[in-house]
Amino acid sequence: GEDVEQSLFLSVREGDSSVINCTYTDSSSTYLYWYKQEPGAGLQLLTYIFSNMDMKQDQRLTVLLNKKDKHLSLRIADTQTGDSAIYFCAETPPGGSYIPTFGRGTSLIVHP
Amino acid sequence: DGGITQSPKYLFRKEGQNVTLSCEQNLNHDAMYWYRQDPGQGLRLIYYSQIVNDFQKGDIAEGYSVSREKKESFPLTVTSAQKNPTAFYLCASSIAPGQGYNQPQHFGDGTRLSIL
Repeated sequence: GEDVEQSLFLSVREGDSSVINCTYTDSSSTYLYWYKQEPGAGLQLLTYIFSNMDMKQDQRLTVLLNKKDKHLSLRIADTQTGDSAIYFCAETPPGGSYIPTFGRGTSLIVHP
Repeated sequence: DGGITQSPKYLFRKEGQNVTLSCEQNLNHDAMYWYRQDPGQGLRLIYYSQIVNDFQKGDIAEGYSVSREKKESFPLTVTSAQKNPTAFYLCASSIAPGQGYNQPQHFGDGTRLSIL
């Protein structure tokens, strides 16, 4: 079956880089997504990567994909207090309903 | 601006009462979804619909019902059969399968349901 695993918490100092990790089990996944959820709000799509890519960079965000190890990471450079939120990793299978499987989310806490 | 609107933001339910959560989108998306989120948990799929007048049960459909009479609307009813309804409910939409593989979901801001 499909499963997406994330650590629950990450604490970093303002200005440092944050790295949020995710592992998944479905090797046939096509797109993998990172969403951000601020308190009391819905999920906002941050970035995504297609399974034939190894890396994608978008301003302060860098996504790395290791297909062999089924490992996805999100690096946030120069982390700010406004980056404090829950970050969800999600994978989408290539067939069937295309409904994504979400991880439980990683709470990023940025302190001064 | 296009987006998904959920209402109300906060909702209270009495014992034995059914309540309906509203979800409207103007993104022209075919597919719509309802998720339940509990503290420390991920998102659990309640129901989804890929086309008007059709919907399928997700992982935790018991105690919930939906309808999809219009493309723009996908209301969720939490029935009295749902014994633990206190949670944060999220509605999402996306383009339908078959229209392209990159189908990120777009989310509303959620409805928080509590028991009185």
